[in-house]
Amino acid sequence: KAGVTQTPRYLIKTRGQQVTLSCSPISGHRSVSWYQQTPGQGLQFLFEYFSETQRNKGNFPGRFSGRQFSNSRSEMNVSTLELGDSALYLCASSYRDPALYEQYFGPGTRLTVT
Amino acid sequence: SQQGEEDPQALSIQEGENATMNCSYKTSINNLQWYRQNSGRGLVHLILIRSNEREKHSGRLRVTLDTSKKSSSLLITAPRAADTASYFCATLFMNRDDKIIFGKGTRLHILP
Repeated sequence: KAGVTQTPRYLIKTRGQQVTLSCSPISGHRSVSWYQQTPGQGLQFLFEYFSETQRNKGNFPGRFSGRQFSNSRSEMNVSTLELGDSALYLCASSYRDPALYEQYFGPGTRLTVT
Repeated sequence: SQQGEEDPQALSIQEGENATMNCSYKTSINNLQWYRQNSGRGLVHLILIRSNEREKHSGRLRVTLDTSKKSSSLLITAPRAADTASYFCATLFMNRDDKIIFGKGTRLHILP
């Protein structure tokens, strides 16, 4: 089986711009979760989607949003970028509920905001 | 605030010596998972232990869970250079919005 893929792998944006990141889960996995990883805050849960519905959301401002398509592929969007949004964004897929099943992570998208 | 806190933050040991990392958490959980991350790449799932389990093994890995102390430990037996990585515990909740909380990790360095 192909693993979780994320595109793009690297991205440089300017403050105030918006960005869209993409994640393709493992075939058959219906749950997709997104995480932000920074040296200061560590790994933080952004949100989880299951069958095109957002099931859970972490403590992030409304500038962070996402969606999931019928083929389980997911995108996350960050609007009005701030310098503090520079981070590694990781996507993970799970067969069903990530609280019950292991998650498979993609390689991440490294976002740099200048 | 972070739920899982790994201890120690960094660990350097000789190849072949056992490596033990600990994770403490604050509130009741549904299960706890351990992950490994190599140098800023994606995480790899190691073990999932449910709240009603006390110990689990996978190859050279042994995980324990003590719900009364709200702590877990990960033991790597006879580690090799390839085990050099950051190790994270993740606490998981079925009925909370922020359902998955990662600790800040232990950076393990195996010396040849």
